Amino acid sequence: AQTVTQSQPEMSVQEAETVTLSCTYDTSESDYYLFWYKQPPSRQMILVIRQEAYKQQNATENRFSVNFQKAAKSFSLKISDSQLGDAAMYFCAYRSAWETSGSRLTFGEGTQLTVNP
Amino acid sequence: SAVISQKPSRDICQRGTSLTIQCQVDSQVTMMFWYRQQPGQSLTLIATANQGSEATYESGFVIDKFPISRPNLTFSTLTVSNMSPEDSSIYLCSVVFRDNQPQHFGDGTRLSIL
Repeated sequence: AQTVTQSQPEMSVQEAETVTLSCTYDTSESDYYLFWYKQPPSRQMILVIRQEAYKQQNATENRFSVNFQKAAKSFSLKISDSQLGDAAMYFCAYRSAWETSGSRLTFGEGTQLTVNP
Repeated sequence: SAVISQKPSRDICQRGTSLTIQCQVDSQVTMMFWYRQQPGQSLTLIATANQGSEATYESGFVIDKFPISRPNLTFSTLTVSNMSPEDSSIYLCSVVFRDNQPQHFGDGTRLSIL
């Protein structure tokens, strides 16, 4: 079974600065997807960014980028120019590419990000 | 972008009662899921809602406690039966609009049992 580990329960960053959230995972599969979701106090889960394991290029979405290290099974999220609205719980998630897995997501424990003005 | 509506958004219930949560999407989806998020914790998959057939439950979750229906491609319900304080959680539905696309989530239902 796959596992996802987020070793930083809490992180803080100054507004306009850059912060990196860590995520590691364990799998024996070679093809899979990785995601970062954010959950603000409103509790809605919002997709931030996704990465396909077969792509070597790191995904980027505006101020959000990932550092995907497949051999190390590491998938960190970098937030540049942090804004107050980035404050939220961030979850790393894994999904197998195998159809028999049924697209289910395995989530990490989450990292609570605080943005200080 | 598509809208995923969950109702109710929150409720306070008495122990021993049951509550049905609805998830409605304004466009057809290929897959629907139900998750539980206990206080201060991550999300745990309860089951995959299958259209027109019984849901596929994850280990630790059973149909008698969490009956699920999915009568069509845009709607599903999750019932939390015979509730106890341990069922106090946020319940979220998620959907996949096309194969190999990410899951998108509803706003969640915050359930408190007294």
